[in-house]
Amino acid sequence: DAGVIQSPRHEVTEMGQEVTLRCKPISGHNSLFWYRQTMMRGLELLIYFNNNVPIDDSGMPEDRFSAKMPNASFSTLKIQPSEPRDSAVYFCASSPGQGISTDTQYFGPGTRLTVL
Amino acid sequence: GQQVMQIPQYQHVQEGEDFTTYCNSSTTLSNIQWYKQRPGGHPVFLIQLVKSGEVKKQKRLTFQFGEAKKNSSLHITATQTTDVGTYFCAGNFYNQGGKLIFGQGTELSVKP
Repeated sequence: DAGVIQSPRHEVTEMGQEVTLRCKPISGHNSLFWYRQTMMRGLELLIYFNNNVPIDDSGMPEDRFSAKMPNASFSTLKIQPSEPRDSAVYFCASSPGQGISTDTQYFGPGTRLTVL
Repeated sequence: GQQVMQIPQYQHVQEGEDFTTYCNSSTTLSNIQWYKQRPGGHPVFLIQLVKSGEVKKQKRLTFQFGEAKKNSSLHITATQTTDVGTYFCAGNFYNQGGKLIFGQGTELSVKP
């Protein structure tokens, strides 16, 4: 099992540019989560999908952020336009169940985003 | 909103000493999960507690879930340098599906 795959692993961009982060969940998993981790705010849930459908996007900071899951094996998190305060590590995680409370989440290695 | 508070934020111990981190919620939890994140790494699942008063052990790690299902603790006996990292609790609230609310984490450093 390859685990959750994220790309790129590191991204450095300039303020105002569009950034797209990518995630491939573990095959067969039905739920996918996007998190952001910073020193100040810790690990925050941005959005999660169940069977490719967004279930809860209450953590998405503002309209500059958008996420899609066009199929069961791929998701993107887009920031447009990016700002320096978006600098963080972005994790994607997947879990096997139908978004039930006892699911274990499996995290990807993360994308370290730096916006200059 | 629903929050999970975790203390302490940092803990520095001498190798061989014990370590404990605590999580609290103002609202009853459906279950609580614990994750460990090594420096530069990603969170990795350790264990899940579901039942009131539940206690689980993994070698030198002991996890407890409070009777009211509002608090939890992780205790490490005789820490080793391999225990270094940040330990997170993550609470699941009723009717929230698979959504986890993570505590701020406790960063453990172990001096050999």
